[in-house]
Amino acid sequence: DVKVTQSSRYLVKRTGEKVFLECVQDMDHENMFWYRQDPGLGLRLIYFSYDVKMKEKGDIPEGYSVSREKKERFSLILESASTNQTSMYLCASNPAGEAKNIQYFGAGTRLSVL
Amino acid sequence: GESVGLHLPTLSVQEGDNSIINCAYSNSASDYFIWYKQESGKGPQFIIDIRSNMDKRQGQRVTVLLNKTVKHLSLQIAATQPGDSAVYFCAEIALGGAQKLVFGQGTRLTINP
Repeated sequence: DVKVTQSSRYLVKRTGEKVFLECVQDMDHENMFWYRQDPGLGLRLIYFSYDVKMKEKGDIPEGYSVSREKKERFSLILESASTNQTSMYLCASNPAGEAKNIQYFGAGTRLSVL
Repeated sequence: GESVGLHLPTLSVQEGDNSIINCAYSNSASDYFIWYKQESGKGPQFIIDIRSNMDKRQGQRVTVLLNKTVKHLSLQIAATQPGDSAVYFCAEIALGGAQKLVFGQGTRLTINP
């Protein structure tokens, strides 16, 4: 089975803190994604990556950055956390090629910024 | 622009009945659709997918129907069980560039005993 693991289920941070959200997948997938999920807004893509050291902006990249130094790990960084970044963050991955369309999700990290 | 939406935000059904969850999409060029199930406290899980060259696809207790004429798809769950309680999302693949899934907002399915 595909396993996408997010390092924290719950995080509480203060405004202005630098926050790291970690995601690891064990299926050697090329592609990895970060979404945030908010009531009434659904899932919105923040950043994605097709390969190591490669990143692309999604629909709402402002206030975020990412890092992909290894194929299995994709980190989301909030440089200076703000209260409007309180949300559920979901990481996903999928392989390149024929099965590329189905994304597999982690359990999510619920971040509260106070 | 591209958008995927759901007709109803909530749906309550009796245990054992069939459930039908609907989804409308606006991009007629989309050629691939996915249904996800998200249980409380968990990430979305893949249920079933369908390509635009098909109008129906069946899985175990689930069926997805695609009507390209009116840009509508539905998820049918047969003999609904308590474990089916969740939020269900449809998603489409936006064409061109990245493999960007466009999600609907979700329908919460509640099962009444």
